[in-house]
Amino acid sequence: KNQVEQSPQSLIILEGKNCTLQCNYTVSPFSNLRWYKQDTGRGPVSLTIMTFSENTKSNGRYTATLDADTKQSSLHITASQLSDSASYICVVIRGGYQKVTFGTGTKLQVIP
Amino acid sequence: SAVISQKPSRDICQRGTSLTIQCQVDSQVTMMFWYRQQPGQSLTLIATANQGSEATYESGFVIDKFPISRPNLTFSTLTVSNMSPEDSSIYLCSVLLAGLETDTQYFGPGTRLTVL
Repeated sequence: KNQVEQSPQSLIILEGKNCTLQCNYTVSPFSNLRWYKQDTGRGPVSLTIMTFSENTKSNGRYTATLDADTKQSSLHITASQLSDSASYICVVIRGGYQKVTFGTGTKLQVIP
Repeated sequence: SAVISQKPSRDICQRGTSLTIQCQVDSQVTMMFWYRQQPGQSLTLIATANQGSEATYESGFVIDKFPISRPNLTFSTLTVSNMSPEDSSIYLCSVLLAGLETDTQYFGPGTRLTVL
């Protein structure tokens, strides 16, 4: 069964601290993996997109890693800000956009 | 990039009624998608709506319950018919834009529907 599992389910960190969110998937065949940020009451916004051959991609303070062998990805947030408070969703694509599997997300709260 | 707007942003409806959600994109796109996000859950694809063809529905979703229109390359509507409280959810419109290396998927702000 094609699944995307994220951990932790929720996380609270102090402003300025770093954090790492995890994503494990069983989707096959793999096309690419995406991380999205979803603010409360808004639609998801793309942070990174990684194909099979990429193992690291950065977007500002966000760095995503991918290990296609172990089917794991992580999203590292550096020097967190209050505006980072959101849900972070890992999405794995197989073969085309009608075969998209969304993770349940990690809800991050950054407190002062 | 693509800017997507949805109307209404939220609504509270009575059981048995229908609601039509509109999605407007600021550029012409071939592929448009409708998703549902139930409280605390992940996004679930309802259907893919390509201009000029019938929408393709995912398992568990049927046209009678979720009719979709796609009259042109910048607009689509999703109707939630004969609503029940189980239809309370956020409904999101999404489009796919081709890029140099890969495609990018953009989402609208969502329509928060509550059915009483």
